[in-house]
Amino acid sequence: GAGVSQSPRYKVAKRGQDVALRCDPISGHVSLFWYQQALGQGPEFLTYFQNEAQLDKSGLPSDRFFAERPEGSVSTLKIQRTQQEDSAVYLCASSLSISGTETQYFGPGTRLLVL
Amino acid sequence: DAKTTQPPSMDCAEGRAANLPCNHSTISGNEYVYWYRQIHSQGPQYIIHGLKNNETNEMASLIITEDRKSSTLILPHATLRDTAVYYCIVRGGGSSNTGKLIFGQGTTLQVKP
Repeated sequence: GAGVSQSPRYKVAKRGQDVALRCDPISGHVSLFWYQQALGQGPEFLTYFQNEAQLDKSGLPSDRFFAERPEGSVSTLKIQRTQQEDSAVYLCASSLSISGTETQYFGPGTRLLVL
Repeated sequence: DAKTTQPPSMDCAEGRAANLPCNHSTISGNEYVYWYRQIHSQGPQYIIHGLKNNETNEMASLIITEDRKSSTLILPHATLRDTAVYYCIVRGGGSSNTGKLIFGQGTTLQVKP
């Protein structure tokens, strides 16, 4: 069946530009996570949704980062006024339930390069 | 911070077993050990998880020590496609846990012909 999909796969932005990254989770998955992965590092948690509710946004690095999941399925991560340090791979993951031990399934990521 | 310690890199000959160690000395009673791997330019892929008993699935085996302070992921017959970064993650259970994964640096496994 279809896994987690993300678009675009690659994005080049000029410094100061706004970007929007999309995540399509596995159908029926309640939980959705966003992670940021800098070059050569492990992924770092950004934010978590349970259906449409954003329950944890403790990992968002600044108020330039905003995420939403208005209908409890597709999610968008928006970065305003991008900076060079925002260059990274942004990963989305979904899991079936709200259980803290449910397996997370990851998308391929969006590679963002800010020039 | 990650609650696990892994060697930064390991090599393995194709067809041989790959044994990847992980230390998690501060693990608490309701925390699970999870393993994910990340092949170059892909998202992390779930491999296996366990609480206290050893576990086996079609991909790998997970051996957890009796005191639960360390574990070993075993790939029984490594292939070139197993070359990846392997992450050992300690993850809590319970309804108050959102389930976010805290990744460390992982172990880069290079399978050689």
